[in-house]
Amino acid sequence: DAKTTQPNSMESNEEEPVHLPCNHSTISGTDYIHWYRQLPSQGPEYVIHGLTSNVNNRMASLAIAEDRKSSTLILHRATLRDAAVYYCILRPRNAGGTSYGKLTFGQGTILTVHP
Amino acid sequence: GAVVSQHPSWVICKSGTSVKIECRSLDFQATTMFWYRQFPKQSLMLMATSNEGSKATYEQGVEKDKFLINHASLTLSTLTVTSAHPEDSSFYICSATRDRGPIQQPQHFGDGTRLSIL
Repeated sequence: DAKTTQPNSMESNEEEPVHLPCNHSTISGTDYIHWYRQLPSQGPEYVIHGLTSNVNNRMASLAIAEDRKSSTLILHRATLRDAAVYYCILRPRNAGGTSYGKLTFGQGTILTVHP
Repeated sequence: GAVVSQHPSWVICKSGTSVKIECRSLDFQATTMFWYRQFPKQSLMLMATSNEGSKATYEQGVEKDKFLINHASLTLSTLTVTSAHPEDSSFYICSATRDRGPIQQPQHFGDGTRLSIL
């Protein structure tokens, strides 16, 4: 499975935008890019996912590079509740387009938000 | 949003007993459910993938006779840790997805079960 590379940690101030980078230079054409976040002692929470085009939802935006070898999760206004470990994961779609692979979690980025 | 309920939230039991953890998708039919394990200060590690009505697919190194997975319906999967020992103490997390067709769907996670074996 293709791997992702994320910074170990990042810091932000409350109410400022946060850009969390993710490199995935070995991504294949059918890999979806998923982002999840996890607070201590909780299960991960889905944030956003996409294939080729940029995506927006109520939580965040996902900017995908044109060559798909990198992506950026954008939190438009960080709050203290956004402090978490953020995971960027590639989930493959198997041949035929109807069978899906697993999520393989890396170490993620620990985001600290300062008041 | 989609909700996945996991029960119990925590359990403490004696070494040698078996423990069952339930994972339910409350508002959608899950085509696939996954079971993960997470040790302190580590990332999630996938244990097995489960499709309704079929046998689970276990990851390398996970003992299928020790971690029994049943996926009897599209909304319920169970993980039973048989003859649990202190080294099985961990945070167990399930997730569910409703992948259908060519559009990949997100996974929705339960809140996890903290298992402590004395």
